[in-house]
Amino acid sequence: EVQLVESGGGLVQPGGSLRLSCAASGFTFSNYDMNWVRQAPGKGLEWVSYISSASNTIYYADSVTGRFTVSRDNPKNSLYLQMNSLRDEDTAVYYCARDWSYWGQGTLVTVSS
Amino acid sequence: EIVLTQSPATLSLSPGERATLSCRASQSVSSYLAWHQQKPGQAPRLLIYDASNRATGIPARFSGSGSGTDFTLTISSLEPEDFAVYYCQQRSSWPLTFGGGTKVEIK
Repeated sequence: EVQLVESGGGLVQPGGSLRLSCAASGFTFSNYDMNWVRQAPGKGLEWVSYISSASNTIYYADSVTGRFTVSRDNPKNSLYLQMNSLRDEDTAVYYCARDWSYWGQGTLVTVSS
Repeated sequence: EIVLTQSPATLSLSPGERATLSCRASQSVSSYLAWHQQKPGQAPRLLIYDASNRATGIPARFSGSGSGTDFTLTISSLEPEDFAVYYCQQRSSWPLTFGGGTKVEIK
């Protein structure tokens, strides 16, 4: 069974940093491209970042470029999102997704003083 | 950036009725459009990919159509579990974008 489990969310002050993780199981992680998507409270979905299976292609939304870094560790079946210089507007549930067919349950990031 | 505009914002229908949801793209996305369903407190679920292909396990009452800039998601006969928010999403060009969503609520 395919499973994606995000972790690492929490409360952080503006300007702070947080690292999200997405643990994958039930499939050959190294074969699949991955995405991060977020959803602010009561709002719609916003794509955040994409990383190809071998990490050789990476894209970011303009809203996070220069502040967020996506990475993966294929032997550890893990996807990461390093978030720096966090802003109030980064408050959201962050989901990892595999080819849009599988989504994790999400992890909540709250940026507030 | 390709902007996806969904209409209507809210659709009030009764179980058994037909639901027709629209998604319009600001420029052509070919057939690279997906539809996702999201219920409160849950992650989104893929319904339709590449405009008209049902994802694994999705009931036949869900169908997608369209290409280029105009797309439709049709639910032929609403079941109680279908009342949710629906998002379209394009993967034609970067950045990937989602529509603002259509809420299908019980009338």
